[in-house]
Amino acid sequence: SQQGEEDPQALSIQEGENATMNCSYKTSINNLQWYRQSSGRGLVHLILIRSNEREKHSGRLRVTLDTSKKSSSLLITASRAADTASYFCATASSGSARQLTFGSGTQLTVLP
Amino acid sequence: DAMVIQNPRYQVTQFGKPVTLSCSQTLNHNVMYWYQQKSSQAPKLLFHYYDKDFNNEADTPDNFQSRRPNTSFCFLDIRSPGLGDAAMYLCATSIDRGLMNTEAFFGQGTRLTVV
Repeated sequence: SQQGEEDPQALSIQEGENATMNCSYKTSINNLQWYRQSSGRGLVHLILIRSNEREKHSGRLRVTLDTSKKSSSLLITASRAADTASYFCATASSGSARQLTFGSGTQLTVLP
Repeated sequence: DAMVIQNPRYQVTQFGKPVTLSCSQTLNHNVMYWYQQKSSQAPKLLFHYYDKDFNNEADTPDNFQSRRPNTSFCFLDIRSPGLGDAAMYLCATSIDRGLMNTEAFFGQGTRLTVV
């Protein structure tokens, strides 16, 4: 079953603005990962945050994790038109952590 | 350099005609996964291999089978494709069966059309 729900489903912003996407999940996790998918392509890993971490940065990306609320957020700063893609959170559960269970995704459009 | 390679990128098959999708990897990872992704939906795990150990998801239809003849290759066989099987099929690998501290590496996907 689908583990995560993402919010918003779609987001449209101007180039240079920041984009924030949220993810909620249901079960205990070992880690949470964010992936990006450009139209009609495979998924590309962006960042992994472990359950004992609260915040992580990678370039223009900032991820937070709140295990008490079972939620995570992905912030993309100074967005570019090339950031246009779907963004998925995925959880590796602490129980049977053999797979990634994906959220429903946020479609981000960055307008030039 | 492509590390997880799926062939073909686009596949058209007839209703009911068996079709095989291919995946190869140059990463020497133990684990290989097949995901199905329908339009505007989340990828859904069909099954995975840990080495030769096959793990089927409970809700994966019997119509879907998989083979992993060696570490590098994995195949998805759809025995009798229906219109509802039209989707993007994603192959992925990981070095760690538990995905404890590592990510999955995805191929570009094969978009399957059933006519």
